[in-house]
This record gives sequence, structure tokens and C-alpha cells, in this order.
Amino acid sequence: DAKTTQPPSMDCAEGRAANLPCNHSTISGNEYVYWYRQIHSQGPQYIIHGLKNNETNEMASLIITEDRKSSTLILPHATLRDTAVYYCIVRALNSGGSNYKLTFGKGTLLTVNP
Amino acid sequence: DAGVIQSPRHEVTEMGQEVTLRCKPISGHDYLFWYRQTMMRGLELLIYFNNNVPIDDSGMPEDRFSAKMPNASFSTLKIQPSEPRDSAVYFCASSSRTSGQFFGPGTRLTVL
Repeated sequence: DAKTTQPPSMDCAEGRAANLPCNHSTISGNEYVYWYRQIHSQGPQYIIHGLKNNETNEMASLIITEDRKSSTLILPHATLRDTAVYYCIVRALNSGGSNYKLTFGKGTLLTVNP
Repeated sequence: DAGVIQSPRHEVTEMGQEVTLRCKPISGHDYLFWYRQTMMRGLELLIYFNNNVPIDDSGMPEDRFSAKMPNASFSTLKIQPSEPRDSAVYFCASSSRTSGQFFGPGTRLTVL
């Protein structure tokens, strides 16, 4: 799987949009970008994933650059409960083998301040 | 759906004892994953199953660890004998082929 680079920490004011960047310059054509988060003392939580088009769901939006070498996770109106470590992971979506492994790096600690 | 269910939520045992962690995946998911999380090593994949068959166990630390999935709705991770360095939070997750992985609340294991 391609490696990802994320800032170790970010701050955001409550009610404002949180924009979390991720670089994945070695991403392959068949690799998807996944975002997870882990709130303290809880299991990781799936947020969103995409291949090349921008994606949106009830939790967040994922913006992937045209060359797919980077992406941004957007939480449109951050709340205190969004304080968590956010992980950006890229992996292929092929059947079989070890392609279902997720390799979690250190992620970005997002702190939402009142 | 109740999500991924793990039991027990907390386990304290003494070195040398057998420990069994249990997981019930989300109904309809055909992939099941076991992870371990520590401060030092972060979140590590131990093993995963597809349709109850182990696919990749390269993350299993050593022979003291074993995992089984006797049916689509149940899996166990066993440590025998346990050692203090096995103390960690163990997560189970499940997914379909195209979905993200959905994690359980974890089992916090302390080996004294």
C-alpha cells in the first residue's frame, strides 16, 4: 500500500470547517483513499473513502486532487465531539491476498476548541 | 444493527493464563479482522478472515496467539500462555468487500 503523510496535529474552532490534509504521492491507479478516526478510548470509526471523484456523506466530504497525490477530509461544522485522531489510508480494492489490510500510521490529532 | 460486538470489554489475568477474546461481526459482512493497539506500536493488524477462512495471519506475533472463525457470526482470538507484553487493547472489525471496516469497542487486556 502507498504511504501517506499527515500533519501530527491540528486545531479547529468549534462550528468552523476542519480541513485535514493527506499526501499520498505514490498512490497507484487501483488504490482508494480511506479515512478513519479514533476518539479517545474507542475503536476506530470509518468515515469515508474514494477513488478519484470527490465524495460526501453525512459525516464528511473527501476532496481528492486530480493527480490523486493528495486529498483533504472536510468536516463542515466541527464540534467538540470531533476531537480525535484522524487516519488517512490508501489501499487497493482487489479481491484476495492481503489487499484488505489497513495499515494505520500515526494520523492527525484534531483538537476542536470551544 | 448493533455493530461489531466484542467480549469481554476488560480482562485482567495473570501471566501464564489462557485468554480468549470474542467477536461477533456485523451480519452480512464477510471479512473479519483482529487488531492490537498499544502506545508503543500503534494499531496493528494481527489476522483477517474472508468467509470464515484465515487469509493473512502474518501479523500474529507468535505461536502463543491463535484465531478461529467457526462460523460467519463468531470469532475468537486466544492467547496461551499470556505474557505481560500482551497487554493491549484488542479490536475486532468487520467489513464487506466494498465497505469500510467497522470496529468494535475493543477488549482491554491486562496481563499481570
